[in-house]
Amino acid sequence: EPEVTQTPSHQVTQMGQEVILRCVPISNHLYFYWYRQILGQKVEFLVSFYNNEISEKSEIFDDQFSVERPDGSNFTLKIRSTKLEDSAMYFCASRKGQGWDNEQFFGPGTRLTVL
Amino acid sequence: RKEVEQDPGPFNVPEGATVAFNCTYSNSASQSFFWYRQDCRKEPKLLMSVYSSGNEDGRFTAQLNRASQYISLLIRDSKLSDSATYLCVVNRMDSSYKLIFGSGTRLLVRP
Repeated sequence: EPEVTQTPSHQVTQMGQEVILRCVPISNHLYFYWYRQILGQKVEFLVSFYNNEISEKSEIFDDQFSVERPDGSNFTLKIRSTKLEDSAMYFCASRKGQGWDNEQFFGPGTRLTVL
Repeated sequence: RKEVEQDPGPFNVPEGATVAFNCTYSNSASQSFFWYRQDCRKEPKLLMSVYSSGNEDGRFTAQLNRASQYISLLIRDSKLSDSATYLCVVNRMDSSYKLIFGSGTRLLVRP
């Protein structure tokens, strides 16, 4: 069964460093998302991406964040200068197409720890 | 006010029990409704979509009341493997189809 994959599973970085989180969505999916979950809190939407551009971003997704689909298979989230409060689980998700109940499939997540 | 509200629990029930979770949402523009399940430190996984007419999948029954902006999930004959956090999720009527999550209700099923 196709699945969303994410690498690395755990990333430890120093405050102020740049990190890139990688995702490979399911191959025939068109919509891509990043969500984050701070430990003990709810899953929060960060950004959605369709047709090679951001379709929506949340207040959390400030100038320090960027997304890219560099090669038609990978979907990356970059945090330019990490802060302590960026420590969280980051989930990538993809969905096939339009339709309100199209399932979003989530990857296993990358645990980001900022020291 | 939170857009999706759930009782955090935990609900601690014996095997075989019936347990019900409730959820309310504040935005009347919400279009689609789901229950996801999340195991500790894992990704959310879709349990079931919730339709206006109510729907059942084995031991799980979901109900939606649009007038009250209320969603429920009933689990019958609880199994140990049902222990997890159950996330109420809505999808607003906008172009990105993003999901809006509640904080989750934790279920512990004991032997």
